[in-house]
Amino acid sequence: AQTVTQSQPEMSVQEAETVTLSCTYDTSESDYYLFWYKQPPSRQMILVIRQEAYKQQNATENRFSVNFQKAAKSFSLKISDSQLGDAAMYFCAYKYSNSGYALNFGKGTSLLVTP
Amino acid sequence: GAVVSQHPSWVICKSGTSVKIECRSLDFQATTMFWYRQFPKQSLMLMATSNEGSKATYEQGVEKDKFLINHASLTLSTLTVTSAHPEDSSFYICSAREGDGEKLFFGSGTQLSVL
Repeated sequence: AQTVTQSQPEMSVQEAETVTLSCTYDTSESDYYLFWYKQPPSRQMILVIRQEAYKQQNATENRFSVNFQKAAKSFSLKISDSQLGDAAMYFCAYKYSNSGYALNFGKGTSLLVTP
Repeated sequence: GAVVSQHPSWVICKSGTSVKIECRSLDFQATTMFWYRQFPKQSLMLMATSNEGSKATYEQGVEKDKFLINHASLTLSTLTVTSAHPEDSSFYICSAREGDGEKLFFGSGTQLSVL
């Protein structure tokens, strides 16, 4: 079974600074997808960024970027120029290509943004 | 963007009663829907996958007779918690896959409290 590990239960960052959230995963598959989701206090799940395993180039979405290290099975999320609205739970998720799009989530990292 | 409507957003019921939660894709056809459960400060755990017109596939450890899932149309899936008990109290979230595409959309979740 695939497992997703987020080793940082909580992280804190000052407004306008940069923070990196860690995620590692375990899989024997070669073709899969990785995601970062944000869950604010409203608990609505919001897709932050998505990475296909076959792509070597790291995905980027505005202030959010990932460092995807396939050999190390690592998928960290970097948030640049942090804003107060970035405060939320962040979940790393894995999906292998033939899983029918069911996601396997990590335990999450709670991000606090201080003024 | 595509919207998934989940209703109700919260429900309180007495032990032994049944509760139905609806998940609707408002502007797209959802061939596959997923039901997750989230305990406080924990991750989302996949309960079951439902495909329109066929029986749901339940994850190991999820009682299919207790958590009845119906996906009768391409825009509606329902989760019925039968004979609810306090330990069923949790946050339930649905997600829907748009057609054969690679996009997933989440509902806003339902907080169930069983007294």
